[in-house]
Amino acid sequence: EDQVTQSPEALRLQEGESSSLNCSYTVSGLRGLFWYRQDPGKGPEFLFTLYSAGEEKEKERLKATLTKKESFLHITAPKPEDSATYLCAVQAVLDQSSGDKLTFGTGTRLAVRP
Amino acid sequence: DTAVSQTPKYLVTQMGNDKSIKCEQNLGHDTMYWYKQDSKKFLKIMFSYNNKELIINETVPNRFSPKSPDKAHLNLHINSLELGDSAVYFCASGYGTPHSPLHFGNGTRLTVT
Repeated sequence: EDQVTQSPEALRLQEGESSSLNCSYTVSGLRGLFWYRQDPGKGPEFLFTLYSAGEEKEKERLKATLTKKESFLHITAPKPEDSATYLCAVQAVLDQSSGDKLTFGTGTRLAVRP
Repeated sequence: DTAVSQTPKYLVTQMGNDKSIKCEQNLGHDTMYWYKQDSKKFLKIMFSYNNKELIINETVPNRFSPKSPDKAHLNLHINSLELGDSAVYFCASGYGTPHSPLHFGNGTRLTVT
C-alpha cells in the first residue's frame, strides 16, 4: 500500500528564517508527487507537481525537490503569509481500477512569526 | 467565478439522519472526487467519477452513495449518519490524466451529534 510520511508535524519559524519540510514516500511506482497548501477552513491549493528524481520546481519563496524516496519543500526567507499546512501527496502507477487517486500525508503545520 | 463549490459549508445533524452534500465545478474537468479529512487532518479518497462513471470506490460504508447527474456535479448522500462520520468532506475535480493536479472545494464540515 502507498504510504506518505511528512515531517515535522509542526514547525514554527521566525520571519526570514529558512527551513525545509520533508515528505517520504513508498509507492509501487511513482507517477507524480504533488505539494499542496491548505489554509484553515479552506481546501488544499495546488503548488507543484514533480515527476522524476532530480526534478526541482520553484514558486516565489518555495522550492520543491524530489529524490527516489523523498521530496523536500524548501522555504526561503518565509513571511507570515506563508503560514499554512503543507500537504504532500503521491500518485502511483497502478491498475485501472485505482484510477488516478492521490495518497496524502498528514501535513506539516507551518507558523511564521513576524 | 468559484471553481469548485460545495454546499453546505457546515452541516450539524443527529445520528440516524440522512443528509446530502452537493458539489459543482465550472472548470470543464471530466473527473470529480470526494475526499474525507479526519480530525488529524488526514485526507483520504472516498470516490471518483469520470464523466458520470464511478472509477474509484475505496473502502467506504455503503451508507455513503455518490451521485453524478452530469460531469460538472458530484453529490454525496449519507444514510443513517453515525458519530464517526463527523469530518470535513472535500470535493475535488481534475482532468483525470496522469500528473494533472486536483482542484479542491473549501469543504463541508459535518458534525454528527
